[in-house]
Amino acid sequence: DGGITQSPKYLFRKEGQNVTLSCEQNLNHDAMYWYRQDPGQGLRLIYYSQIVNDFQKGDIAEGYSVSREKKESFPLTVTSAQKNPTAFYLCASSTGFWSNYGYTFGSGTRLTVV
Amino acid sequence: EDQVTQSPEALRLQEGESSSLNCSYTVSGLRGLFWYRQDPGKGPEFLFTLYSAGEEKEKERLKATLTKKESFLHITAPKPEDSATYLCAVQELGPGNQFYFGTGTSLTVIP
Repeated sequence: DGGITQSPKYLFRKEGQNVTLSCEQNLNHDAMYWYRQDPGQGLRLIYYSQIVNDFQKGDIAEGYSVSREKKESFPLTVTSAQKNPTAFYLCASSTGFWSNYGYTFGSGTRLTVV
Repeated sequence: EDQVTQSPEALRLQEGESSSLNCSYTVSGLRGLFWYRQDPGKGPEFLFTLYSAGEEKEKERLKATLTKKESFLHITAPKPEDSATYLCAVQELGPGNQFYFGTGTSLTVIP
């Protein structure tokens, strides 16, 4: 079955540590996105990529980094510069920026700072 | 300034009690309005896309409608399995074609 796989489902980060969230899709979608979801707030865009080897900052990119070396993969690194990283992180993909079917989302990674 | 506002924040219904969820938006030009369903601890699941005022889409007990400033998600005779958070998002026409998400309506259907 086609879809988006995010791993791990739960992740714990110590202060000052970088962690990487994995996102893999087998939908042959060109565009991929990372969102952060906090209680009482709408999804906020961290980074997006429309083609391989190219990505753009979203609204809250500070303290995060990404790469897009393969069409299928769009990992997100939460660096120690991100001061409040505890949140639910969602990866999504679409056929393009003008997709009529919205995004396909992964099942999310819950990151907690310990 | 909020581009997308959903109401109510939470809604409790008896099984079979129909109701509507609201999504109001303020963007200069609308490319599309999207409805998603999100279950606890999972990613949102796509339901509908609406493009122009007067458009309607249906899926089982759900019906989405669109006006120039808001969208409604009507739930007819809901069942407990309809319990979820329903998210609305709008895509704006213009540079960047930004997506804006609402905070969602948490629906609980009581047997």
